Amino acid sequence: QQPVQSPQAVILREGEDAVINCSSSKALYSVHWYRQKHGEAPVFLMILLKGGEQKGHDKISASFNEKKQQSSLYLTASQLSYSGTYFCGTEYLVASGTYKYIFGTGTRLKVLA
Amino acid sequence: GAGVSQSPRYKVAKRGQDVALRCDPISGHVSLFWYQQALGQGPEFLTYFQNEAQLDKSGLPSDRFFAERPEGSVSTLKIQRTQQEDSAVYLCASSYPRLANTQYFGPGTRLTVL
Repeated sequence: QQPVQSPQAVILREGEDAVINCSSSKALYSVHWYRQKHGEAPVFLMILLKGGEQKGHDKISASFNEKKQQSSLYLTASQLSYSGTYFCGTEYLVASGTYKYIFGTGTRLKVLA
Repeated sequence: GAGVSQSPRYKVAKRGQDVALRCDPISGHVSLFWYQQALGQGPEFLTYFQNEAQLDKSGLPSDRFFAERPEGSVSTLKIQRTQQEDSAVYLCASSYPRLANTQYFGPGTRLTVL
């Protein structure tokens, strides 16, 4: 039930690119991306709604494939500050008519100088 | 307020003690969430409030866990008769309104049960 993220961990050199994927078995209403540094709270990066939109700001962007219930986070020209654990947060409708919110398994990203 | 605040930041309890964790959401945010995050894991949903109404408590792991938000702002998560497996970081997040909106997280309360 928990969305699966891949890869589980990745190490980059400064300036390299990375892609983090989030796959769900549920029909998603929205996907949120967060970055969490050790000992800190998750920080919101962006949100994507169903409809297959793509968003981005600066060198971080994301896409949402509604047919596959998958979202991808793209980090380009990575910086040292990008290091942390990335989580997707997914929102989906349940039978009772309410929405559930569940976080993915997480991807640990380390950027080296 | 400037952001979501939580207190205490750290709590050490002896097994069997009761604890109360407080969350002050961003002013005006109607939605409030509680999560439990074990070391190295992602946040796991515990419960959700819309104003003072607790609309979803399906994630509470046992009847020892209880949450309230009596006036629709500050929320308290209470854990009775704490057990070692309750040791985790408890995160609070708020948003306005709930659906497809950014959740702003507080710094969390790290609970250690000895």
